[in-house]
Amino acid sequence: NAGVTQTPKFQVLKTGQSMTLQCAQDMNHEYMSWYRQDPGMGLRLIHYSVGAGITDQGEVPNGYNVSRSTTEDFPLRLLSAAPSQTSVYFCASSYRGLHTEAFFGQGTRLTVV
Amino acid sequence: SQQGEEDPQALSIQEGENATMNCSYKTSINNLQWYRQNSGRGLVHLILIRSNEREKHSGRLRVTLDTSKKSSSLLITASRAADTASYFCATSEKNSGGSNYKLTFGKGTLLTVNP
Repeated sequence: NAGVTQTPKFQVLKTGQSMTLQCAQDMNHEYMSWYRQDPGMGLRLIHYSVGAGITDQGEVPNGYNVSRSTTEDFPLRLLSAAPSQTSVYFCASSYRGLHTEAFFGQGTRLTVV
Repeated sequence: SQQGEEDPQALSIQEGENATMNCSYKTSINNLQWYRQNSGRGLVHLILIRSNEREKHSGRLRVTLDTSKKSSSLLITASRAADTASYFCATSEKNSGGSNYKLTFGKGTLLTVNP
């Protein structure tokens, strides 16, 4: 099983550019989440989804959009990149709920210049 | 908002020694989980302890939970160089609407095990 796959692994963007971070899982998990990890801040929840067609905001949603058209995919869109969005982004999925064991992807390291 | 706070922020020990990390949190929880993150990699789930449990074991890992003190500890026995990683506690709580639980992560403890 591939588990949770994130692409790309690394990305450099210019301020104002937009892009989509891809996340796919092959475990048939209903619950998926996006986090960002910054030095000294731990992981912070950006958006989450409890099933196809259902998404909601987390702790730091501004500047990001998500959609969930299939169970497998949960892309994260940066609308107009800012240097403050320089971070490592992790996608996670879980089977029985957002509060249960989460399976993480390998992360996308994003730099906005 | 940060829920769990790990202590210490960094810990350096010799191979074969035990490593203890602590986590404190502020509000009522459904469960508490520990994750490991190797440098440059994603988080890996280690163990989950429910709010009505006091102690749980998994291989060389022992987790305790004291809900009266709102704290948990992770003990790694007979540590190995391969245990070098960051360790995070994560607590699950209801969101502000009272519906879906979510995980809130602490800032982590960086454990270095020297050979």
